Amino acid sequence: DGGITQSPKYLFRKEGQNVTLSCEQNLNHDAMYWYRQDPGQGLRLIYYSQIVNDFQKGDIAEGYSVSREKKESFPLTVTSAQKNPTAFYLCASSPGGRNQPQHFGDGTRLSIL
Amino acid sequence: AQSVAQPEDQVNVAEGNPLTVKCTYSVSGNPYLFWYVQYPNRGLQFLLKYITGDNLVKGSYGFEAEFNKSQTSFHLKKPSALVSDSALYFCAVRDPVISNFGNEKLTFGTGTRLTIIP
Repeated sequence: DGGITQSPKYLFRKEGQNVTLSCEQNLNHDAMYWYRQDPGQGLRLIYYSQIVNDFQKGDIAEGYSVSREKKESFPLTVTSAQKNPTAFYLCASSPGGRNQPQHFGDGTRLSIL
Repeated sequence: AQSVAQPEDQVNVAEGNPLTVKCTYSVSGNPYLFWYVQYPNRGLQFLLKYITGDNLVKGSYGFEAEFNKSQTSFHLKKPSALVSDSALYFCAVRDPVISNFGNEKLTFGTGTRLTIIP
């Protein structure tokens, strides 16, 4: 089945530690996105990538980094500079075109130890 | 700048009754509008979209939405609610301005929690 796989489902970060969240898609989509979801705030865009080897900052990129070396993969690193990392992180992809919906993975819940 | 408002944090509906989840938007041109549903600890699932044409859009699971340009609204509706419809619903708008690659960001509302009471 085609879809988006996020791993791990739950992740715990120690103080001063960088952690990486995985996102893999087999939908052959060009565009990929990372969102952060906090209660009562909806989804906020962290980073997005429209093609391989290119990505742009979203609305809340500080303390995060990404790479897009392969079309299928768009990992997100939460660095120690992100002082409030506890949230639900969602990865999405879309085939391109303004009328196309985004498809979402099932998320990674990150907590601080 | 584009924005979306979902004025109700929580909506409660009796099973079998019609339901409405409200959404209003603000964009500079003609909007592309989307509704998504989220179940606990899951990602968002696409329900329906409005791009152009008929103001009444039909989507998955019996949901539909009505686009009203004069009121800048895109309310989600269902004629008869099911307990399984209980979830978090998000409205989203896409900026109509074309970027270099033709893809634009989605702006999401803060979500409405729908509870269907048996």
